Amino acid sequence: EMQLLESGGGLVQPGGSLRLSCSASGFTFSSFAMGWVRQAPGKGLQWVSSIGGNGATTFYADSVKGRFTISRDNSKNTLYLHMNSLRAEDTAIYYCAKDPIPAASLGSNWFGPWGQGTLVTVSS
Amino acid sequence: EIVLTQSPATLSLSPGERGTLSCRASQSVTSNLAWYQQRPGQSPRLLIYDASNRATGIPARFSGSGSGTDFTLTITSLEPEDFAVYYCQQRATWPLTFGAGTKLEI
Repeated sequence: EMQLLESGGGLVQPGGSLRLSCSASGFTFSSFAMGWVRQAPGKGLQWVSSIGGNGATTFYADSVKGRFTISRDNSKNTLYLHMNSLRAEDTAIYYCAKDPIPAASLGSNWFGPWGQGTLVTVSS
Repeated sequence: EIVLTQSPATLSLSPGERGTLSCRASQSVTSNLAWYQQRPGQSPRLLIYDASNRATGIPARFSGSGSGTDFTLTITSLEPEDFAVYYCQQRATWPLTFGAGTKLEI
């Protein structure tokens, strides 16, 4: 069974940093693109970033470009999101999600399945 | 950026009825549209991709249609577990964008 387990969320002050992790199991991790999607409390979904299966291709939403970095360690079946210069508007549940179509670089850019999410709160 | 507008914001129906949800794109996305379901307290789930293809394990009562700028998610004979929030998403151009969602309530 495919599983995605996020960790690393928590309370951080504005301007601070945080690293989120997503541990994957139940599939050949390196064969699939992965992404991060966030959801502010009570709000809708916002795509944050995507990375290809081989880690060579990345894309970011304008709102996080230059502040967030997506990466992956295929030997550890783990996806990361390094977040710097955090702002109050970054407060959200961060979900990692798997692309349903295998591809060495970016895949279909659909998302399924999703992890359970990890909450990031940016506040002083 | 492509803006996806979902309507209605809230749809009130009863179990057994037919639900029709709309998603309109600010410019053509051809068939590059997906639908997701998010039940209360749960993560989103992929229902439909490429406008009309059901994802693995999705019941046949869910169907998607449309192309270009206008898309529809139809749920025939609503089950109690179908009452949730539904989002559309486009992949035609970067950045990937989601609609604001339609809440399907009893």
